[in-house]
Amino acid sequence: GIQVEQSPPDLILQEGANSTLRCNFSDSVNNLQWFHQNPWGQLINLFYIPSGTKQNGRLSATTVATERYSLLYISSSQTTDSGVYFCAVLPSRGYSGAGSYQLTFGKGTKLSVIP
Amino acid sequence: EPEVTQTPSHQVTQMGQEVILRCVPISNHLYFYWYRQILGQKVEFLVSFYNNEISEKSEIFDDQFSVERPDGSNFTLKIRSTKLEDSAMYFCASTRFSSYNEQFFGPGTRLTVL
Repeated sequence: GIQVEQSPPDLILQEGANSTLRCNFSDSVNNLQWFHQNPWGQLINLFYIPSGTKQNGRLSATTVATERYSLLYISSSQTTDSGVYFCAVLPSRGYSGAGSYQLTFGKGTKLSVIP
Repeated sequence: EPEVTQTPSHQVTQMGQEVILRCVPISNHLYFYWYRQILGQKVEFLVSFYNNEISEKSEIFDDQFSVERPDGSNFTLKIRSTKLEDSAMYFCASTRFSSYNEQFFGPGTRLTVL
């Protein structure tokens, strides 16, 4: 199946710093999503971004589908940004039309923002 | 903004008991999913459901698991005889038109099997 690699696995930032999280995937995709898992375990949808660039406040994301990677940018980080950030992808359907309905998640990047 | 809801938020059960986790997907969505996350691990797909039948399931989704859409709003995951290793966070998700669309996740149910 498709492989999803996220880097770095752990990141510690001083409040106010910027960061870039990376997601590499091994095959073409129809869907790519970024999530933030908060300390209570809830998954928060950040971006649906199979290609292109989107921005939402201090967060932005870019997916270069042809090169099979996506980046999540966090600017002016705050302590509330702490948690685990997951990238998840949906592989493209094959020539036969068969495909997958399942999002495949990476292992995540654990971000700790310290005051 | 419409959202996926899940109940209960936390369920504690004894090994061997049956549990039913409930989800209310977004009302005009057509595809429904269950995922689980064992503590400290990544989120894993369990099953997808469309048009009142399972469209895909993972190897985790064995005969102990079943899903149902008993009415027009609820989507349930049943575990017939829970095991210690079923302890995990269970997430429900839904999409509107197809699996290509954004999957909206609920807040999760934390299942603890003692």
